[in-house]
Order: sequence, then C-alpha cells, then structure tokens
Amino acid sequence: EVHLLESGGDLVQPGGSLRLSCAASGFTFNTFAMSWVRQAPGKGLEWISAISGGVDNTYYADPVKGRFVISRDSSKNTLSLQLSGLKTEDTAVYYCARETGTGSYRYFDYWGQGTLVTVSS
Amino acid sequence: SDELTQPPSVSVSPGQTARITCSGDALPTQYAYWYQQKPGQAPVVIIYRDSERPSGIPERFSASTSGTTATLTISGVQSEDEADYHCQSSDSSARSVIFGGGTKLTVL
Repeated sequence: EVHLLESGGDLVQPGGSLRLSCAASGFTFNTFAMSWVRQAPGKGLEWISAISGGVDNTYYADPVKGRFVISRDSSKNTLSLQLSGLKTEDTAVYYCARETGTGSYRYFDYWGQGTLVTVSS
Repeated sequence: SDELTQPPSVSVSPGQTARITCSGDALPTQYAYWYQQKPGQAPVVIIYRDSERPSGIPERFSASTSGTTATLTISGVQSEDEADYHCQSSDSSARSVIFGGGTKLTVL
C-alpha cells in the first residue's frame, strides 16, 4: 500500500527557513516523479515543485522559484523541500504527492496528509 | 499564463444532479483531472484523463470536456458527496500543473 507522510511544518518568521520531509513507502520511490502541492487557508490547491523519476530533474512554480529547493534521497525513500526567504503568503498546508503520467497525462494518484507551515512575526 | 476557473460554490438537494464546471484555454489540448477533498483530508482523484474513473470511485461521478470547459457531473447526489472539488490540468506547454480555485459542493 502506498503511503506518504509529511513532517517539518512549523511557525516561522518572515525571511526564515524550514525543511519539509515526506517519507514514502509501498512503491519503488526513485522511479516516480514527486511533487509538492500547497493549500493556503480556505484557498485552492497550488502546485509548487516537482522532481522527476530517475534523472531527478527539478521544476518550480514562479512564486517559489529561487527560494525553494526540492530534492530526494532514494536510499531513505524521502522527498524534501527546503524553504527559504519565507513570506507570509507562503502560509499553507504543504502536501507531497506522487505523480503518475507525463505531460498532459500527468496527475497525482497518492497524497500525504499534509504539514502546516505558518509564516508570521 | 494558463488558468482554470471554477465556480466558488454549487448547491444541490439530495438525489439531484450536480454539475461543476472548470474553464481554461489549455483544456482543448490538455486532459482534465478532478479531485474530491473533504474537510481536514487530502485530495483524492475521482476522474482522470477527462472522463476515466479510478477503481473504487462510485459510478455516479462522471466527467466530460468540450472545448475550453470540463464538467464534473455527480448524479443522485448523496450527503457524503459534500466536499470541495478541484480540477487540474497542465498548462499549454504541458510543463506545469495548474489547478482551478476549487468548488465547494453543498448538499442541502
């Protein structure tokens, strides 16, 4: 059974940094692309970053480009997201999600339960 | 940039049919996907590739795409269907994932 468990969410001041982790199990982790998707309070879903399976190419949405870094440790089946230069608008629940398909066929078939990041002074 | 537009809310009585739309310029060339999200829970995919239903998703959930509009249809709505529904696609370059703003379905 596929299982994704996020951790690392916290209250952090504007300009601060945080590292989120997602422990994956139940599938061959390094062969799947993985993404981080966030949801601000009372808002919709926002895709923010992805890492491809195999060659580990990385992709970022414009609002986080240059501030967030996605990575994976296949020896530990763990996906990470390093957040820096945090802004109040980064406040959200952050989900890790497994991708299936590529290009137009790309969607998220498994999600974790999310971890809350609050950016406030 | 490509965007997906959903109505903020839809209300329907039990047993009736609910239709939730998702509009975007990328939809004629990119597939639409639909997720159900109940309060405090992670999203769950209920429709993939415009109209396919994953195993375990009830048959009352269906979807179609015509031109720039994708439509999720819930036939014979039940109280347990009350949730937020999010559409998802890719931008016209198929490099980035885009989501609609989500629609809150209220079962009266």
